[in-house]
Amino acid sequence: RKEVEQDPGPFNVPEGATVAFNCTYSNSASQSFFWYRQDCRKEPKLLMSVYSSGNEDGRFTAQLNRASQYISLLIRDSKLSDSATYLCVITTSGTYKYIFGTGTRLKVLA
Amino acid sequence: DAGVTQSPTHLIKTRGQQVTLRCSPKSGHDTVSWYQQALGQGPQFIFQYYEEEERQRGNFPDRFSGHQFPNYSSELNVNALLLGDSALYLCASSLVAGGNSGANVLTFGAGSRLTVL
Repeated sequence: RKEVEQDPGPFNVPEGATVAFNCTYSNSASQSFFWYRQDCRKEPKLLMSVYSSGNEDGRFTAQLNRASQYISLLIRDSKLSDSATYLCVITTSGTYKYIFGTGTRLKVLA
Repeated sequence: DAGVTQSPTHLIKTRGQQVTLRCSPKSGHDTVSWYQQALGQGPQFIFQYYEEEERQRGNFPDRFSGHQFPNYSSELNVNALLLGDSALYLCASSLVAGGNSGANVLTFGAGSRLTVL
């Protein structure tokens, strides 16, 4: 089983739609959680950290469910500029590496 | 404030050759990590350098080696290149705030795209 699993998509949604991605992780000792965004042929950039209580940044909301071992990202009022690949990232206590999922590709259509 | 810079941006090599990739971390950062991203995959951890020492290594063969210099910049060396080494190589920097885990946010460079023929 992969350490981090994501649906690769693509998710094709119209502008203004709400879309949600989930990411599951296998290690219950996972400690920190992030969502990174990666545009085509560019580097990953931090979108937001994910906190136990859930957190929101404008149109983006991230949630963590430790019991079921998944994190989620909700995007409201999708914009064309939201089209990208969204990478789920975890770290585990006692290690320094970031573990990335394969990413979920989002296409927002006009 | 300069972010993470990597060079070269693109390079083409043939099987069996050796390559050196370079990275300058973001100003104020002291830790450098290297990742390999194959097409359609997420980045895979190669290793991390802190205080000029390899602090942790991912599941990569000894053909992959690195170095960190006193100014925190870093190099990734790959020997005996294979076709499967073709990928985007990403350098990420961060600041050690103490502790032993990845709570420190990574800032990535634009990457070096390696093609092995």
